[in-house]
Amino acid sequence: DAKTTQPPSMDCAEGRAANLPCNHSTISGNEYVYWYRQIHSQGPQYIIHGLKNNETNEMASLIITEDRKSSTLILPHATLRDTAVYYCIVRVGGNYGGSQGNLIFGKGTKLSVKP
Amino acid sequence: DTGVSQDPRHKITKRGQNVTFRCDPISEHNRLYWYRQTLGQGPEFLTYFQNEAQLEKSRLLSDRFSAERPKGSFSTLEIQRTEQGDSAMYLCASSRGLAGLNTGELFFGEGSRLTVL
Repeated sequence: DAKTTQPPSMDCAEGRAANLPCNHSTISGNEYVYWYRQIHSQGPQYIIHGLKNNETNEMASLIITEDRKSSTLILPHATLRDTAVYYCIVRVGGNYGGSQGNLIFGKGTKLSVKP
Repeated sequence: DTGVSQDPRHKITKRGQNVTFRCDPISEHNRLYWYRQTLGQGPEFLTYFQNEAQLEKSRLLSDRFSAERPKGSFSTLEIQRTEQGDSAMYLCASSRGLAGLNTGELFFGEGSRLTVL
């Protein structure tokens, strides 16, 4: 079973920041938080991941609480093309294969960006 | 395009027929995963290869399912005697296996959608 809890859906106005929450209260010390998204009829796409520090890349920012029990993915200026299902996943980070390297997906959050 | 490619993108078959899907991973990736995704659900892990060795199989992978990666490059997933419950999107993903270069990111293909009538 997925180790994360996400709201099933969210709306966001185009051009505004989209803040997607995720709860992972049972996260272990060696587990990272990964975010993927899946645009309709496509395969999942990696967005960002982090351990305990906040992370930022060209796609998004990841804010992890100090106790690491929850995190927020931020899309700073959402566009219509950001409409997708966003998955928050916890797993052991780095070079692992098989069940350790596997991603266990929940149902994610369906983000709808509206004009 | 040097991403993960899957073929065919869509397959419609009748119950009881066999189907085969092919996945070509990113060339320098030695790890390859197969997932299945049904409507409204997240992808579910099926099996995993490190080079040509199939190292792990999910309980979802029944005896009618077989996956191969004979030369450690492309992989095939065959479903024998298809059932309507096999209707799903079959996703392939690949990743690096070299220590120090693997951030845990999986690169997914666009999937092969199977419809069993």
